[in-house]
Amino acid sequence: GNSVTQMEGPVTLSEEAFLTINCTYTATGYPSLFWYVQYPGEGLQLLLKATKADDKGSNKGFEATYRKETTSFHLEKGSVQVSDSAVYFCALSAGTLGRLYFGRGTQLTVWP
Amino acid sequence: GAVVSQHPSRVICKSGTSVKIECRSLDFQATTMFWYRQFPKQSLMLMATSNEGSKATYEQGVEKDKFLINHASLTLSTLTVTSAHPEDSSFYICSAITSDGHEQYFGPGTRLTVT
Repeated sequence: GNSVTQMEGPVTLSEEAFLTINCTYTATGYPSLFWYVQYPGEGLQLLLKATKADDKGSNKGFEATYRKETTSFHLEKGSVQVSDSAVYFCALSAGTLGRLYFGRGTQLTVWP
Repeated sequence: GAVVSQHPSRVICKSGTSVKIECRSLDFQATTMFWYRQFPKQSLMLMATSNEGSKATYEQGVEKDKFLINHASLTLSTLTVTSAHPEDSSFYICSAITSDGHEQYFGPGTRLTVT
């Protein structure tokens, strides 16, 4: 079946620190992979995505590379800001149009 | 970007009553909408897929008679929690897919508390 395992939080970092949030997946077929971000009181927003192996998704300084050999899609950012504080969800889509399988979410808090 | 709204954002109801939650795509038409449920510190669990003009498709373990979904137009889907009980208290989130199927947008969620 399809599932996503995501690094448990919460993660607390100082501003300008390096961020990694691990995500691994199990899927039938060839899934597309996503990272969503949820700011307090708001809906989920697509942060980045990758649709095939070795693709790198990037946005707002965040990056994630689709690694088929390790079934991973780890989220990284070289220098986090206070405004990056949010909950981050890893997700995959396989088969049914738009149907997403989510990880548990990782709460990130960045201190100035 | 495209916006999906949900109404209400928060609702408190008494056990045994029914509650309706609306999900609207504000500036695009959505043939397909999804309803998710999120427990504290847990993932979003898909409850059902709502297709305009047809019956919703429910995930295994979701009671269709308890969680009534209606997708009457290309911009509106509603979720009605019937005869609500405290265990139905949760955060309900909808999403909508654009007609070309390329983008999916999420609503801000509805916090339901059943007392």
